Amino acid sequence: DIQMTQSPSSLSASVGDRVTITCRASQRISTFLNWYQQKPGQVPKLLIFDASKLYSGVPARFGGSGSGTEFTLTISSLQPEDFSTYYCQQSFSPLFTFGPGTKLEI
Amino acid sequence: QVQLVQSGAEMKKPGASVKVSCKASGYTFTAFYIHWVRQAPGQGLEWLGWVNPNSGDSKSKQKFQGRVTMTTDTSINTVYLEVHSLTSDDTAVYFCARPTSGSYYIHWGQGTLVTVSS
Repeated sequence: DIQMTQSPSSLSASVGDRVTITCRASQRISTFLNWYQQKPGQVPKLLIFDASKLYSGVPARFGGSGSGTEFTLTISSLQPEDFSTYYCQQSFSPLFTFGPGTKLEI
Repeated sequence: QVQLVQSGAEMKKPGASVKVSCKASGYTFTAFYIHWVRQAPGQGLEWLGWVNPNSGDSKSKQKFQGRVTMTTDTSINTVYLEVHSLTSDDTAVYFCARPTSGSYYIHWGQGTLVTVSS
């Protein structure tokens, strides 16, 4: 199975800050990498697919980049509703995997 | 619109099995795989496996092979996840999710809480 890691595991930031979360894969996965946001008690919400494509309706302050084994999710100017947990997920292998998550706190 | 509706919460004793259902509507049931994801309390998302409603084929993460069964009933547009030999580590919310053709998830069931306790 392809293993996914994320850093940091948690992050404290303020409204208006620019933040970056990194996701690494244990082997090359091209751009088969997706990012989700999950709030407590809710299902995950897709933000970015195919490493850099913004899903419909997601604010433009979210951006993704990377290919191969290293990927980043950037939030350009944090808003109050962005404080949440973020997960990466690879779909290169038929056996998908999620990263362990990054909790973004105020 | 696409809907995935899961069965209700379950409480089981260690060693027992649990079967969770996921009923799909709003699209051609046999055209898309259904995946299963779980989330233990306060923990991250863990991918379990998928089932192909068209063929009945399934594949699960290696750690679950032999302990998880994923099946489908095309007559009622429903897929099932059965987890055997439950332990307290299996206490989690279990989600079904339907990937798009691009292999990312925008459609999720509401989740089913499975609690394993003696």
